[in-house]
Amino acid sequence: KQEVTQIPAALSVPEGENLVLNCSFTDSAIYNLQWFRQDPGKGLTSLLLIQSSQREQTSGRLNASLDKSSGRSTLYIAASQPGDSATYLCAALHNTNAGKSTFGDGTTLTVKP
Amino acid sequence: NAGVMQNPRHLVRRRGQEARLRCSPMKGHSHVYWYRQLPEEGLKFMVYLQKENIIDESGMPKERFSAEFPKEGPSILRIQQVVRGDSAAYFCASSPSSGGTQYFGPGTRLTVL
Repeated sequence: KQEVTQIPAALSVPEGENLVLNCSFTDSAIYNLQWFRQDPGKGLTSLLLIQSSQREQTSGRLNASLDKSSGRSTLYIAASQPGDSATYLCAALHNTNAGKSTFGDGTTLTVKP
Repeated sequence: NAGVMQNPRHLVRRRGQEARLRCSPMKGHSHVYWYRQLPEEGLKFMVYLQKENIIDESGMPKERFSAEFPKEGPSILRIQQVVRGDSAAYFCASSPSSGGTQYFGPGTRLTVL
């Protein structure tokens, strides 16, 4: 059974700081891993998707890496801004036929001005 | 291109009533996923559907819950004889292909009185 863990559960940083969010998964047989952000009371916004054959993906100030062998993914946020404050979730997709994703409980990020 | 649409956004039901949640995927997407987020908990996979077919319903409670995605019209998540424990946010996501990026709707927040 796949388990996804995100550490830390909460993080508070001053504006401008670079930061790393961690995601670990127990079953390395994943098809892809996706990072999302969720604002309070809102739905999820897709940030980055990394296929199992890829090592990293970049979009603007965001960079996500994937190490299947160690069961880890990281989301790097450069030059953080108050608008980055949200809960960040990672989700591991098991295989394409099932389409089942297992989500971590998220890291709640607060960027202080 | 409109995003994933869910309605209603908020739904209040009394114990024993039925709840019907609707999800219209993004245009061109034939893969739909339903997730549930209980208060203070993470997102849990419920069911994965393609047009007219249930592919994986391993996350669905065995009783009272059902889902469909007909050839025409939105996907429907139906909860019969609701109980207070069903109170949660229900999210729908869609993707253009199996294993593709999942795009989430804003969710339906169900409150059972």
